[in-house]
Amino acid sequence: DIQMTQSPSSLSVSVGDRVTITCRASQGIGNYLAWYQQKPGKVPKLLIYAASTFQSGVPSRFSGSGSGTDFTLTITSLQPEDVATYYCQKYNSAPLTFGGGTKVEIK
Amino acid sequence: EMQLVESGGGLVQPGGSLRLSCAASGFTFDDYAMHWVRQGPGKGLEWVSGINYNSGGIGYAGSVKGRFTISRDNAKNSLYLQMNSLRPEDTALYYCAKGTTSGWQSFDYWGQGTLVTVSS
Repeated sequence: DIQMTQSPSSLSVSVGDRVTITCRASQGIGNYLAWYQQKPGKVPKLLIYAASTFQSGVPSRFSGSGSGTDFTLTITSLQPEDVATYYCQKYNSAPLTFGGGTKVEIK
Repeated sequence: EMQLVESGGGLVQPGGSLRLSCAASGFTFDDYAMHWVRQGPGKGLEWVSGINYNSGGIGYAGSVKGRFTISRDNAKNSLYLQMNSLRPEDTALYYCAKGTTSGWQSFDYWGQGTLVTVSS
């Protein structure tokens, strides 16, 4: 099975900072990658699918890139409401594996 | 308004069984794949199982293969997960999630979850 590895596992940044989260697949998955945001105590929310396509209503400060094995989620200017854990997920074929998550906190 | 409402969770002894249900409304259920995702206490998300729109495609995580069975009843707008031979490591909040298309794709709507606790 393809493994999904996220880094870092956590980061602490200031409001307004740029945040970059990476996700690496152990084999190529094309662009079959999604990013989710899970705020504390809340249900996960789809941010990006097909590696770089915004889900409706997602703020433009979020962006996704990559294909094959290496993917990136970028938040251009972190806002307080972005405190959350972010997960990547591959969906080219079963199992639809999630990455381990990246917890983003405010410094 | 789209809704996914899970039920059937509870406390069960190791080796026991539970059947989870997910009642869907607010969208055309038989147009979309559906999935079960779980989250252990303080842990990350784990995809458990998925089923395509007409039950012709089914997948399982290795950790549950042979123990869990996913099914759906499109006439009842319902998704199910039969869980047998439960282990303490199956303890988690189980979410029902809607796929964005009829096949394997990302998940654009999630229920609130139902808690399963496996303990003696």
